[in-house]
Amino acid sequence: EADIYQIPRYLVIGTGKKITLECSQTMGHDKMYWYQQDPGMELHLIHYSYGVNSTEKGDLSSESTVSRIRTEHFPLTLESARPSHTSQYLCASTGDKNTGELFFGEGSRLTVL
Amino acid sequence: KNQVEQSPQSLIILEGKNCTLQCNYTVSPFSNLRWYKQDTGRGPVSLTIMTFSENTKSNGRYTATLDADTKQSSLHITASQLSDSASYICVVSDRGSTLGRLYFGRGTQLTVWP
Repeated sequence: EADIYQIPRYLVIGTGKKITLECSQTMGHDKMYWYQQDPGMELHLIHYSYGVNSTEKGDLSSESTVSRIRTEHFPLTLESARPSHTSQYLCASTGDKNTGELFFGEGSRLTVL
Repeated sequence: KNQVEQSPQSLIILEGKNCTLQCNYTVSPFSNLRWYKQDTGRGPVSLTIMTFSENTKSNGRYTATLDADTKQSSLHITASQLSDSASYICVVSDRGSTLGRLYFGRGTQLTVWP
C-alpha cells in the first residue's frame, strides 16, 4: 500500500468558504501532483511540484493554489469555494526515476453548495 | 493531438468469466503505458507498467499486453471476482521518468455480477 494520505475524504461546504485539502506522503518522494476528476471523465492535472518551494500549474486551469514548504506536504487551497469547484481531488506522488510510477491518495470529494 | 481512448466504456460480466479491456493511444513519443484500477470513491492503484520493449506483463489474474506498432494495449482479467468491479484506467507517458507527461483515458467501468 502506498503511504500517501488525503484529508478530508469528504467535505460539504457553502459557497464563499475557504478550504484546504491536505496531502501528505511518507515515501520521501520529491514529485507530487494534484488531479481533478469528475464522474466518467479522465483525470486532469491541476498542479504539480518537483520539490520544496517548487510549484507549477497543470493542464487544467484551476482557481486553487498549492504550496510545498515541506517535502511530505502538498496542500491545495481554494480561497472562495463555488459550486463549480465540486469534484473529486486526487493527490499523487512519485519517486521512481525510471518509470515515474504514480502513487495516489484516496481522494478528497468536495461538494460546494 | 495526443489521446488515449478506451473501450468499452462500460462492461457487465458474470463472476468467474474472463474479459478484455482495450486501450488505443496516439501519444508520441511513447515511453510507457500503465493500467490502473480505481474502486468507486477511491484513488487509482497501479496494476502494470509496460515500456516499449515489453509486450506482456501479468499481475495475478490481470494480464496486460502492448503492441507499440499499432499503439494498442489490452487488459485481460481472468476468472473475474466481485472485487474486480471498478474503473480501469489506461495511462500513457510520453517520456517516462518523472518528467514525462501523462495522458489519461476515461476508463472502462467494469461490473461483475454474482
